[in-house]
This record gives sequence, structure tokens and C-alpha cells, in this order.
Amino acid sequence: AQKITQTQPGMFVQEKEAVTLDCTYDTSDQSYGLFWYKQPSSGEMIFLIYQGSYDEQNATEGRYSLNFQKARKSANLVISASQLGDSAMYFCAMRELAGGTSYGKLTFGQGTILTVHP
Amino acid sequence: SAVISQKPSRDICQRGTSLTIQCQVDSQVTMMFWYRQQPGQSLTLIATANQGSEATYESGFVIDKFPISRPNLTFSTLTVSNMSPEDSSIYLCSVARKWDHEQFFGPGTRLTVL
Repeated sequence: AQKITQTQPGMFVQEKEAVTLDCTYDTSDQSYGLFWYKQPSSGEMIFLIYQGSYDEQNATEGRYSLNFQKARKSANLVISASQLGDSAMYFCAMRELAGGTSYGKLTFGQGTILTVHP
Repeated sequence: SAVISQKPSRDICQRGTSLTIQCQVDSQVTMMFWYRQQPGQSLTLIATANQGSEATYESGFVIDKFPISRPNLTFSTLTVSNMSPEDSSIYLCSVARKWDHEQFFGPGTRLTVL
């Protein structure tokens, strides 16, 4: 079974600083994908970034980058130059890619609330 | 990407009643899923909506309580039946295309049961 662990219930960062949100995962699958989503207070889930287990390069999307360390089974999200609008809940998630019966199903961590201070 | 809409966006319902939530996607997608997010919690998968056949439910969720339909590749409904206050949650539709790594969510339906 897949498991995602986010050990930081809450994080604080000063505006314009960088912040790292931790995510570790456990799976016996060889082929999987790792996702990060942002959930503002409105409740919508905003897709931020994706990393495939076979991708050799760390994924980047604008101010978001994913620090993927496969041997450590970690997939930390780095947000550079934090903005006030980054204040939200952030979820790490994993999906099996091998095409089995659980294909497409996302397993989520418990989330980290990020607060950006001016 | 896919543009996903959900109706209603929010509702307040009485105990014992049922609510049907609609999910509409602007393009054909391979997979559609329904998730529940209870207050202060993470997301939990309810079921996979299969086109033209019965949905596949996760452990702890049953068809009598959460009947799901998916008549085509762009539309699905989730019904929350015989509601109780414990059903108060955000219900989210999610879609994915096979072989495409992106997975998107609708804006969610915020349900309060009194």
C-alpha cells in the first residue's frame, strides 16, 4: 500500500523568502508519480507540480520546484520568493502509474498549512 | 489541462435527505474520481466513476450511500444519500487521462448537513 507523510502541520515564512515543505512516501511500486497541490481557503485543489519516478531531473514550474530524492523516498516542495498569496494548505500526493487496478488513484498526505508573513 | 465544473458549489441540507452533485469536464477524459474531504482532514477517495458500468468503491464506501453515475466521458454525478451531519464535507471531482501525468480537480462542493 502507498503512504504519504507530511510531518509539518504548519510552516511560516517571510514574504520573498524561500520555503521547503517536506514529503516522504512509501511504496513498493517501481513506477509512480508524485504531485503537489495547493488548497486555498476556497477549497479548490490547484495542481502545482509533478515528478515521475523515472524522471532524472527535478521538476520545476515557475517558483515551484520539487526536490526529488528517490533513495530517501522524499519529494519536498520548494517555493522560492514567497508571496502573500501562497498562504494556503499544501498537499503531497502519489499515484501508481503501472496500469494496475489502482491506476490513477491519488493517495494524499495530511497537508501542511503555509502562512506567509509580510 | 481540463476545465472542470461542479454543481452545486455549496449546499445546506437536512438530515435524512439526499443531494446529487454534478461534475462536468470540457473535454473527454479517461478517468473520473470522487473524493471527500472532511473538515480539517486530507482527501479520501470515495470511488472511481467508470463509464457505462458500475463505479469502483474504496473500502468504507458503499453504493447505497454514494451512488455514482457516469453516462459518458465528460460527465459524472455523485449522490450523497440519507445524509447525516457526519457527511458534512467538501466533495471533489477529479479527472485524468491515461498516459497523461496531470490530474485535475473540480472546484468542489461544500456540503453542510444539519
